Parts: sequence; structure tokens; C-alpha cells
Amino acid sequence: DADVTQTPRNRITKTGKRIMLECSQTKGHDRMYWYRQDPGLGLRLIYYSFDVKDINKGEISDGYSVSRQAQAKFSLSLESAIPNQTALYFCATSDASSGRELGQFFGPGTRLTVL
Amino acid sequence: AQSVTQPDIHITVSEGASLELRCNYSYGATPYLFWYVQSPGQGLQLLLKYFSGDTLVQGIKGFEAEFKRSQSSFNLRKPSVHWSDAAEYFCAVGARVYGQNFVFGPGTRLSVLP
Repeated sequence: DADVTQTPRNRITKTGKRIMLECSQTKGHDRMYWYRQDPGLGLRLIYYSFDVKDINKGEISDGYSVSRQAQAKFSLSLESAIPNQTALYFCATSDASSGRELGQFFGPGTRLTVL
Repeated sequence: AQSVTQPDIHITVSEGASLELRCNYSYGATPYLFWYVQSPGQGLQLLLKYFSGDTLVQGIKGFEAEFKRSQSSFNLRKPSVHWSDAAEYFCAVGARVYGQNFVFGPGTRLSVLP
């Protein structure tokens, strides 16, 4: 079984719709992240959470919100989707419980298309 | 804040040839450094990481990288490329200060000729 899962894997929606992308992990990591990937722009951080009660905005948080329901679950919402939010979205986790960041582990991605 | 550059957007090499992908970073102290690979349609997989100590680190799939503090570089190398290495490669910098995050480079796409 995959350590970091994302649902759905693909989603097509219309402008103005509310969309939720979900991420679950079985790695027991304390930190979780949401990124979007666009061609030529690499990965850009949307939101991150260092524990259940710690949520932080990333580089491009406008138009997005998140919820850390439990240590293992971190969901990303688009309140009113717009076409320029069409992208590949990745969830990632990392473990810094030893006091040292050990690297991020990524889910398989969600391809979102907003028409 | 840290930043990462990968000067090569796209590199093409022949199968069996050696490979070097460049990564330069900007950070006020010694960072944590990572290389990730993304195969088409896949998520990112961690190839290797540097925290401290030996500046030459070995990773999976026969890759290695060398941290050069004087050049602020962390270049990825492989002595003999296989067709299955065709993918996109991302360098990332992690800060040692709590609360700061990873920064990813824009990526280098590697094509492998038969």
C-alpha cells in the first residue's frame, strides 16, 4: 500500500465550483504539505502544516484553504475554482521529529482541470 | 530565505554516457540538500540527501551528488545513464531553522537517446 495517498487522482470541474482534494498518510509523519506543479514553474508551496494545530500559508495560498483533520489527513479546498488553478497537485509529508528534516515524501498527485 | 536554481531546463544524453545535472542554492548557512526524480505521470521520489559530513553522497539508482560549499552547489551525477533515467529532476533546499520550508528548483528534464 502507498504511504501517501491522494484522492481523487483526476478531477474535471467547472469555474465557480467548490473542490476538495484529500491526502492521507500512513508514514506517521508530523508535517504535511500541499504543492501545485505547473509546466516550467516547478513545485510551488500552497499550504503546510507542522502538526494538527499548526497551519501556515505557503507561497501561493490565495484561492485555497486547508484542513488538518488528524495527523494523517490534510485536505486542500478550492472554494470557487477558476481556470488558472488547473494544475497537478501534490501532497507531501516529512518527519522532523528527530529535530532534523529528513526529506519529503510525495503522493502520486491529483490532476485538476477547471473549465 | 533560501532559493534554488537549476541552470539547465533540458538535457539530452546518449544511453551509457555520463550525466551531471547542476544545482546552485542560496542560503545563509549550510542547508539540507535533496535531489528528487519525477517520472512521467508519477509523483516525486527522493534520490538522495545531504545533511552533514561526507560531501559526496550516494543515492538510489546509481546516482550520487557532491556538496561544494565554496560554489554553493549540489550537482547530481551518474556515470552511465540508462534509458529508464529519462525523467524530470528537481533539486531542493531545506532550511535548518524550524518553521522554514523546502524550496524546489524549477527542474531539469532529462532525455536519453538510444
